[in-house]
Amino acid sequence: QKEVEQNSGPLSVPEGAIASLNCTYSDRVSQSFFWYRQYSGKSPELIMSIYSNGDKEDGRFTAQLNKASQYVSLLIRDSQPSDSATYLCAVGYITQGGSEKLVFGKGTKLTVNP
Amino acid sequence: NAGVTQTPKFQVLKTGQSMTLQCAQDMNHNSMYWYRQDPGMGLRLIYYSASEGTTDKGEVPNGYNVSRLNKREFSLRLESAAPSQTSVYFCASSIQVNYGYTFGSGTRLTVV
Repeated sequence: QKEVEQNSGPLSVPEGAIASLNCTYSDRVSQSFFWYRQYSGKSPELIMSIYSNGDKEDGRFTAQLNKASQYVSLLIRDSQPSDSATYLCAVGYITQGGSEKLVFGKGTKLTVNP
Repeated sequence: NAGVTQTPKFQVLKTGQSMTLQCAQDMNHNSMYWYRQDPGMGLRLIYYSASEGTTDKGEVPNGYNVSRLNKREFSLRLESAAPSQTSVYFCASSIQVNYGYTFGSGTRLTVV
């Protein structure tokens, strides 16, 4: 059973601070990693993908991957109240039958306080 | 550009009733997925279809059936609804897992 673990939170940060979200995964051979943002009552929205060890930056978002430690993180700089949402970590893997699937963590709820 | 379209958005069923949730994508994606999302449980895969003509069980398939009607459409059927199937259901599609999934807007189902 492939597992993706996230701290459920809630994580509360003041406006303008850096929010740090973490995720660990069980399958060593996974090659693709994603962060989704889900606003209350809405569907998940892809915000970041990362495939290689190191950092990947996109605007105020930075994804970090360490395959040796099986660890993925998302940093949100200059956090805004509009960033308040649940963040889902997802890890891709290939089944024995050759199908490709994502396994999702349960999500971390982030609240940014004005 | 509609993306992934789910119908209906809301539904209330009585125990024992049946219904079909519809999902269609216009992105020429190969793979389609049905998830349910419950508080504290995260997204759980019900069924998926890696390509047109194939379907496979996910982690919580009991009580559900699926049909991959063509490349665009993937439906989820509840034959005899139970209160435990009260949930939010999401359909998703992908061209390849390395590109992630695109989700539909969801169906909020209540079984009373």
